[in-house]
Amino acid sequence: AQSVTQLDSQVPVFEEAPVELRCNYSSSVSVYLFWYVQYPNQGLQLLLKYLSGSTLVKGINGFEAEFNKSQTSFHLRKPSVHISDTAEYFCAVRTPYGGATNKLIFGTGTLLAVQP
Amino acid sequence: DAGVIQSPRHEVTEMGQEVTLRCKPISGHNSLFWYRQTMMRGLELLIYFNNNVPIDDSGMPEDRFSAKMPNASFSTLKIQPSEPRDSAVYFCASSPLGQGSYEQYFGPGTRLTVT
Repeated sequence: AQSVTQLDSQVPVFEEAPVELRCNYSSSVSVYLFWYVQYPNQGLQLLLKYLSGSTLVKGINGFEAEFNKSQTSFHLRKPSVHISDTAEYFCAVRTPYGGATNKLIFGTGTLLAVQP
Repeated sequence: DAGVIQSPRHEVTEMGQEVTLRCKPISGHNSLFWYRQTMMRGLELLIYFNNNVPIDDSGMPEDRFSAKMPNASFSTLKIQPSEPRDSAVYFCASSPLGQGSYEQYFGPGTRLTVT
């Protein structure tokens, strides 16, 4: 079974500062990894995903994440945040296998609070 | 291109009443997921379907909750009778199955308030 840990429930940061949101996962098999963002009163939307290949993946809105297999991590980064980045960010994992086991396992979320 | 459609967007009902939430997945997607989100419990997967067949309903809280997917373009989540602790935002998501794209596409959610 897979699990995801987002240790930081909230990350306050000033506008134009860099930010890193941490995600660690546990799995006995290979995994696919995702970051979703949820703006207030909206559904979740995909920021980026890692399926295979380059361990550095770039997503929308200037975000990027790096897959580190040895540390079982998939941290999300942005070099300079904007007020509009204030949202809840969810890390998720699933197995590469299709069929019945295609559900995502979500972390508990990290609220990114960007202050002026 | 329409995304996942959910209705109603807001529902206020009294305890004991039946509530039905509706979802239309993205055309061509054959996996459908129902989630519940609350401050206390975060995002919980309630049930999911592949090709209209329920695969995993282990997240359904209790017998008061039921979900159906009569065809590929429609699903319902029903709560009968509703209780105040059911108040939450309910999300529907859909995904292609086995087609190389593994992300889920979420609807805007239904905010349910049970008084």
